[in-house]
Amino acid sequence: GAVVSQHPSRVICKSGTSVKIECRSLDFQATTMFWYRQFPKQSLMLMATSNEGSKATYEQGVEKDKFLINHASLTLSTLTVTSAHPEDSSFYICSALKGYGNTIYFGEGSWLTVV
Amino acid sequence: TQLLEQSPQFLSIQEGENLTVYCNSSSVFSSLQWYRQEPGEGPVLLVTVVTGGEVKKLKRLTFQFGDARKDSSLHITAAQPGDTGLYLCAGGQAGTALIFGKGTTLSVSS
Repeated sequence: GAVVSQHPSRVICKSGTSVKIECRSLDFQATTMFWYRQFPKQSLMLMATSNEGSKATYEQGVEKDKFLINHASLTLSTLTVTSAHPEDSSFYICSALKGYGNTIYFGEGSWLTVV
Repeated sequence: TQLLEQSPQFLSIQEGENLTVYCNSSSVFSSLQWYRQEPGEGPVLLVTVVTGGEVKKLKRLTFQFGDARKDSSLHITAAQPGDTGLYLCAGGQAGTALIFGKGTTLSVSS
């Protein structure tokens, strides 16, 4: 099956710094990728839809200036958490849409801890 | 906004018992997926249902998609401790993000 790789799997950063998380589709081109956030013991909440070559579409309540998304190629989308705070600590997971149908593949997720 | 109501949120049962998890929405989905997630890992796809009334079986797990494609259920027969985990339903339309239910945390004790 298709593979989506996410990096880093775990990252610890200091409060006030920025951290970048990468999401790569390894064996297919993904014009659309999605970023989710998951707090402990909760479900996945959609943050934004990332479209190659255009601006991301953010869900209500998600700060676009804080969570910068760049989808510069058909196989890579990045999420940058800027000026991170401890409350941004969470599990961030991406998914990539293969083709234009219903097939979505998830990355392994990234644990962010802000200290 | 599409919403998926998933119930129960928590379920604690003994090994050998049966259980059913429900996922309901007022919206029609082109597909509905069920995932299982272990702590610290990404969700793992169990099944995708796309046809109203569809029933799929995966060993002791039975998945059903409602006739109107607005609801789904997951039934586990003779639960085992290895079934413990977070079960998530997610609905989608072609080309759009999956919308997840709040999840069901299942604990099966021996």
